[in-house]
Amino acid sequence: DAGVIQSPRHEVTEMGQEVTLRCKPISGHNSLFWYRQTMMRGLELLIYFNNNVPIDDSGMPEDRFSAKMPNASFSTLKIQPSEPRDSAVYFCASSLWQGLSNQPQHFGDGTRLSIL
Amino acid sequence: AQTVTQSQPEMSVQEAETVTLSCTYDTSESDYYLFWYKQPPSRQMILVIRQEAYKQQNATENRFSVNFQKAAKSFSLKISDSQLGDAAMYFCALATGTASKLTFGTGTRLQVTL
Repeated sequence: DAGVIQSPRHEVTEMGQEVTLRCKPISGHNSLFWYRQTMMRGLELLIYFNNNVPIDDSGMPEDRFSAKMPNASFSTLKIQPSEPRDSAVYFCASSLWQGLSNQPQHFGDGTRLSIL
Repeated sequence: AQTVTQSQPEMSVQEAETVTLSCTYDTSESDYYLFWYKQPPSRQMILVIRQEAYKQQNATENRFSVNFQKAAKSFSLKISDSQLGDAAMYFCALATGTASKLTFGTGTRLQVTL
């Protein structure tokens, strides 16, 4: 079975440009998470969706970041305008949320983002 | 708020030996789950093992087992018969109730030597 698929795997762009990261969750999973990993701050949850609805976006650093999930099989994380401090590895993860039963999250391979 | 603490930034173990990675956590929730994830240099995040807080029995997955001490809020990972492929960053993580959010520790880098 295909796991969580993220694209691109690497992205290098100049400061001020718009960046769009993409994620396809595991088929049948109804929860989707975006994380950011940096040396300084470790792994941080940015936002998560249940059944395509954003539930908690308190981890989104600022208004330059936005995330959407237009359907059950696709999500985007957009940064506009990008800044050098946004350089990090961005992970998408998905899980099957069944109310009180919390299934483990499965991670994509991440997107390494470098803002010059 | 939930916190996860991994006090060992780095650990080293000889091949075929056993190593234990420490993790403590704090939460006011009674319903929660604990996980260990492995991140090799390829940067994938791989689920190693999972423990439900309501289960007293410690989880085991082949060479990986946990020592879950609920009262002490401790969740250590034991790797038996260590292999070179076990070298990676190991993250302890906590998910509470229905919130599904994972709180990660800062990680322990495990080296496996010949």
